[in-house]
Order: sequence, then structure tokens, then C-alpha cells
Amino acid sequence: EVQLVQSGAEVRKPGESLKISCDTSGYSFSTYSIGWVRQMPGKGLEWMGIIYPGDSDTRYSPSFEGQVTISADTSITTAYLQWSSLKASDTAIYYCARHNGYNEIDYWGQGTLVTVSS
Amino acid sequence: DIQMTQSPSSLSASVGDRVTITCRASQTISNYLNWYQQKPGKAPKLLIFAASILQSGVPSRFSGSGSGTDFALTISSLQPEDFATYYCQQSYITPFTFGPGTKLDVK
Repeated sequence: EVQLVQSGAEVRKPGESLKISCDTSGYSFSTYSIGWVRQMPGKGLEWMGIIYPGDSDTRYSPSFEGQVTISADTSITTAYLQWSSLKASDTAIYYCARHNGYNEIDYWGQGTLVTVSS
Repeated sequence: DIQMTQSPSSLSASVGDRVTITCRASQTISNYLNWYQQKPGKAPKLLIFAASILQSGVPSRFSGSGSGTDFALTISSLQPEDFATYYCQQSYITPFTFGPGTKLDVK
């Protein structure tokens, strides 16, 4: 059974760093791209970026390029999303998402709520 | 970036109704169009990919059509569990942009 299990909710202050994780199982981690999707409170879905763990090729949405870093560790089949300096506007739910053959997202993590507040 | 639009932005309907949501891409995306359903407090769920292929386990009352720039999601007979928000997404070229969503609620 394919599973994407994300790390728990986080509360941080503006300017702090953060790394959230997406622990996967039930499939060949290196052969499917995995990405991240943001959902701000009461808003729609925003595609942030994607990594292909097999060769670490990473693509970002221009809206998120330089704001976040997506990475993956094939030895523990885990993907990450990190910030070096959080802003209040980063408050959102972040979903990790496995992409399949048409780049459709066939499996989603349960979401990680990140709250940034002073 | 490819821009995605959806109409309507919200829709009120009754159980048993036939409902259609449309999605338009700002440039051609062939058939790289996906539909998701999201309920409050839950992760989205894939309904249809490649414009018209029903994801495994999704009821056959859901169907998708279109190619190029214009697409549609149809629910043939609304069930109580179908009241949710629906998003289209293009997966033709990165960034794989989503539409703004269509909220389907009870009339």
C-alpha cells in the first residue's frame, strides 16, 4: 500500500528556519517524482515544485523559486521541504504529493500545518 | 506559466442533478488535465487524469472530457458525498498549475 506520512504541525516565528518531511512507503521511491502543494487558509491549491529522487532533478514554480528548497533522501525514502527564513505569509497547509505517469498526483500526504507568527 | 480558469466558481445543486464544471487553459495542454476533489480538512483526491481516464476506485458517475484548452468534469447524478470543492490541474509543463476551484454545495 502506497503511503505518504508527513511530519506534524509546526509553529515558528518570522525569520526562523524549518524543514518538514514526507515519509513514503509501498512503492519504488526513486522512480516517481514527488512534489509539494501549498494551501493557504481558506484558499485554493498552489503547486510549489517537484523532485525526481532518481537523479535529484528539481523544478520549482517561479512563485516559490528561491523561497523554499525541495530535497529527497533515497536511503530513507523521505522528501523534504525547507525554509531558511519564514514569513507570516508562509502560514499554510503543505501537502506532499506523488506524481505518476501523466504527472497527475495520485497519492497525497495528510498535510502539515505550518503557522508563522510572532 | 500556464493559467487555468474554472467556471463556475461556485455551484448549488441537489442530489440527483447532473452537474458540469468547465476548465480552460491559457495555452494548449493536449490531454494533460487532471481533476481533484477536496473536502474540508482533507487532502485532495484524484478523480480523473489525462482529461478522461477515471482513477481506480472513483465512481463511474464522474467523467471528464476535452483536449487542447477546454475541458469539463461531469457528475451524472449527484450523491450526498459529492458536495466538495473541485480543482483542475494542468500537468503538461511545469509549474503544474491548478485552477482556482469550484465549490459545489447543496441547493
